[in-house]
Amino acid sequence: QKEVEQDPGPLSVPEGAIVSLNCTYSNSAFQYFMWYRQYSRKGPELLMYTYSSGNKEDGRFTAQVDKSSKYISLFIRDSQPSDSATYLCAMSANQAGTALIFGKGTTLSVSS
Amino acid sequence: GAVVSQHPSRVICKSGTSVKIECRSLDFQATTMFWYRQFPKKSLMLMATSNEGSKATYEQGVEKDKFLINHASLTLSTLTVTSAHPEDSSFYICSARDLGGTGEAFFGQGTRLTVV
Repeated sequence: QKEVEQDPGPLSVPEGAIVSLNCTYSNSAFQYFMWYRQYSRKGPELLMYTYSSGNKEDGRFTAQVDKSSKYISLFIRDSQPSDSATYLCAMSANQAGTALIFGKGTTLSVSS
Repeated sequence: GAVVSQHPSRVICKSGTSVKIECRSLDFQATTMFWYRQFPKKSLMLMATSNEGSKATYEQGVEKDKFLINHASLTLSTLTVTSAHPEDSSFYICSARDLGGTGEAFFGQGTRLTVV
């Protein structure tokens, strides 16, 4: 079993839809969870950052972490064509200088 | 948020030459930076961890003599692809974690290397 599992999609939704992106993981030591958005041929852009369990909201984006289930989610409300990108989940066990473990990324397409 | 600047964004080089890619943390100090490689429609593959003032740590299967990493200061790490070959053509991305903040990892814009 890979440390982080993420359905690569592609996921296609109409404009205005609510999008749900998910990752599962196996390492119970993970405490820091991040979601990145990556447009084609660009570096990943940090969207959401969560420590431990709980929810975090920022504009149209909501990140949820359920450590008991080893499951994290990113919700996008009122999706826009500009949200079309690849979304990567990432996590690590500590805050120190260790690399993140990434999911494979989910490709999202929002049609107008 | 914190910014990581990577340069150049795109480079084309001849087979057999070397290419240097720079990664700078602009508003925070990074004792550790990370270099990734990304193939089309694939996730990021960690190549090495760059440590300021000491040797880089390479992931299994990554040739350290091929991909030279130098982390000379708290804000700069460089990756040099030596004697590049067409199979080295890829998208290279650096990252640094803002340890003075809450540990978020920020990425550079990436470098598209094409070896002809």
